[in-house]
Order: sequence, then structure tokens, then C-alpha cells
Amino acid sequence: GQNIDQPTEMTATEGAIVQINCTYQTSGFNGLFWYQQHAGEAPTFLSYNVLDGLEEKGRFSSFLSRSKGYSYLLLKELQMKDSASYLCAVRLYNNNDMRFGAGTRLTVKP
Amino acid sequence: DAGVIQSPRHEVTEMGQEVTLRCKPISGHDYLFWYRQTMMRGLELLIYFNNNVPIDDSGMPEDRFSAKMPNASFSTLKIQPSEPRDSAVYFCASSFQTGGTDTQYFGPGTRLTVL
Repeated sequence: GQNIDQPTEMTATEGAIVQINCTYQTSGFNGLFWYQQHAGEAPTFLSYNVLDGLEEKGRFSSFLSRSKGYSYLLLKELQMKDSASYLCAVRLYNNNDMRFGAGTRLTVKP
Repeated sequence: DAGVIQSPRHEVTEMGQEVTLRCKPISGHDYLFWYRQTMMRGLELLIYFNNNVPIDDSGMPEDRFSAKMPNASFSTLKIQPSEPRDSAVYFCASSFQTGGTDTQYFGPGTRLTVL
């Protein structure tokens, strides 16, 4: 089976920084993706890592350690609109077959 | 591009009825995925197609579920007969494989309620 684990819920304050962790144990690995999903909407792509290290994209950064089966998504300068679920997904092979974690529901408070 | 299109957006039906969900992928994409999302189980992959051919249907819960992709621009997911536990949001997603940063693009979903 494929195991992708993330915290269920997190709360943070507007303007702060929050780190959402993801650990995985999968039969294959060909990249890790982070998606954002607002309530009642479809998931939308945020970031992608396939090599170890940090990828930065504006206020969002994502880190990967393949040897540890670990990734995190870092959100800086939090805004109220960042309140959403964040899904970690592993692409198993070179065919876009992806498996998703259950998601972390982030609430940003004033 | 219009993005992935799904219909209907909402479906309410009674137990035992047949339900058909529809999806039009992004033009040019060669992969199509069907997912089911519930609070309890999160986003689950049901089945995916490559060039209209089903590749992996191991996520299909049981024989009541079937999916087809008769051509590159259309796919259906059918549940017959439907049961209350099938109530969920069903997403269709498509992608074009280059092995790099290409990701899946999701449709708006169909919210299914089986009474």
C-alpha cells in the first residue's frame, strides 16, 4: 500500500509563517506535489519537487528529502485567503499516477 | 482553454438508481483520472486512462462502478446501482505526460448525494 501522512488541521495567524509536513512511504517515487484546495472547490497545483532541496515560489516554498521520505510546504506572510486544505501527493512512476494524502486543513486567523 | 469540464455539478438520486458522471479533459492531454473525495477517506484514485485505455482500475470500489473513455475528449463514470455510501465529490483530472513538472488539472467536481 501507499502511505502519505500529513497533520489533519493547523491554525496560524495572519502575517505569520506556517510549515505543513508530509511523510510518505510509497512503492515508487517520481516527484512530490503540493495542491491547495479551498472548500467546495477543486485542488489546484502549488509546487513540485523531484530532487532534494528547497523550491521557492513567491510566498510558498516546498522542501524534499527523498532519503527521509519527507516534504514540507512553507507558507510565509500568511493571508486570510490562504485558509484552505493543502494536499501532499506523490507521483509513483513516470506516468502521472499520483496518490494523495488526506490533506491538512489550515485556518488563518486575524 | 476551458479547463476540465464535468457534468453534472450536483446530482441527487435515490438508492438503487443508476448515476452517470461525465468528464471532458483538456484538449491534448493523454491521461485522464477519476477520483472520489470524502471527509473520511480524502482523495482516492478510482481509475485512470492513458490514450483512452484503462491502465489501473484497482481503486474502483466494486463492480457497481464502471468507467469508459470512448474517445480522447470524453469519459464517463457510472454507478449502478447507487448506494448512500457512494455519496461524495467525484473529480475528473487530466494531464499531459512529459515526466517533469506536468501536473494534473482538476475539474470542478460532481457532488453526488444518494438518499
